[in-house]
Amino acid sequence: KAGVTQTPRYLIKTRGQQVTLSCSPISGHRSVSWYQQTPGQGLQFLFEYFSETQRNKGNFPGRFSGRQFSNSRSEMNVSTLELGDSALYLCASSLAGGAGEETQYFGPGTRLLVL
Amino acid sequence: EDQVTQSPEALRLQEGESSSLNCSYTVSGLRGLFWYRQDPGKGPEFLFTLYSAGEEKEKERLKATLTKKESFLHITAPKPEDSATYLCAVPTGGGADGLTFGKGTHLIIQP
Repeated sequence: KAGVTQTPRYLIKTRGQQVTLSCSPISGHRSVSWYQQTPGQGLQFLFEYFSETQRNKGNFPGRFSGRQFSNSRSEMNVSTLELGDSALYLCASSLAGGAGEETQYFGPGTRLLVL
Repeated sequence: EDQVTQSPEALRLQEGESSSLNCSYTVSGLRGLFWYRQDPGKGPEFLFTLYSAGEEKEKERLKATLTKKESFLHITAPKPEDSATYLCAVPTGGGADGLTFGKGTHLIIQP
């Protein structure tokens, strides 16, 4: 069974630009969560989508947004990029439950560098 | 405030030298504790889920245990391929805040 896939794997952007990252969950998984990983803050929860609806949201500014499609694939968007947005963005999927109910399986991540 | 603290931050062992990694947590109403392994440049790889105090799970050279305040990841006779960062995480906000991760333990096994 294929795992979680994320595209692109690497991105370089400049301040002020916007970026869209994509995530395809494990087949049959309907919940997709996004996390940001930085050396200073570690892994931090961004948001979770289930059935095309944002179910939970972490403590990030509104520049960070996402959506989920009917096939459970998800995208996240970061607008007006800042230097501090440089990070590894990880997507995780689970069958249907959120973080408190089921194991989440992570993709390889998209490494974003903002110059 | 829900918190997860891992220790030590880094650990260097000789091949075959057993040791334990610690994950202490403060969360109301534990809904599970997760252990992941992360290799450089990759996403976290799921290892174990523990749900109740006294529970233990094993996989090859790894054994995870859980008490009411902390979890241990015991590594028996490690090999160089066990070198990685080990992360523990708990669901917080009743799961509404996703997983809260510790900063991880960076483990190096020298041949």
